[in-house]
Amino acid sequence: QSVLTQPPSVSGAPGQRATISCTGSSSNIGAGYDVVWYQQIPGTAPKLLIYHNDNRPSGVPDRFSGSKSGTSASLAITGLQAEDEADYYCQSYDSSLSGYVFGTGTKVTVL
Amino acid sequence: QAQLQQSGPGLVQPSQTLSLTCAISGDSVSSNGATWNWIRQSPSRGLEWLGRTYYKSNWYNDYAISVKSRITINPDPSKNQFSLQLNSVTPEDTAVYYCARLHIAMASFDSWGQGTLVTVSS
Repeated sequence: QSVLTQPPSVSGAPGQRATISCTGSSSNIGAGYDVVWYQQIPGTAPKLLIYHNDNRPSGVPDRFSGSKSGTSASLAITGLQAEDEADYYCQSYDSSLSGYVFGTGTKVTVL
Repeated sequence: QAQLQQSGPGLVQPSQTLSLTCAISGDSVSSNGATWNWIRQSPSRGLEWLGRTYYKSNWYNDYAISVKSRITINPDPSKNQFSLQLNSVTPEDTAVYYCARLHIAMASFDSWGQGTLVTVSS
């Protein structure tokens, strides 16, 4: 049912860089709507990580960064830490559906 | 950030109505700077936005196409809360339901309730 496509899993050793892609279409990301990223620890609610494509709320480490190009967006985590193990979701707005849409989710594993 | 506290039953019988409430502290349901949303999450459907209510000189609602015929979201300014009603539920509606604030300036869901697992079963 998810409109935005993400890789199911990404992994990396502590200190390495991990990148998560989010692929949309011309009715959502490609239409110019902002991309937002959330981090979710299993059993808890999602937590806002990145807003307006590349902005971090206060309290979010600068190891997290976002970017957007065309119909896709990416979340990068530099200097992976054990505490970064979680599920990550992208989100945007879709004009065809007239509503907010989420990505399929990516599980990040720190080896 | 606002604090959102959800309440409501965790078990609903098929064909009945799912009802949840979200109490707000640290903000107002009548705020011009936010919209108040319901989102659900299940293994089969992932994260799914269901709808929102907001105040802009008048009260407005928007609903996801997938549930539009069955959903009602109501604000209650006297109690500073909002509610979700989903009619004619089936096992497909089994999910964790979240209320969430969308911060308009940040265009993102910045505050979430704790989540309620609702199981549709007889």
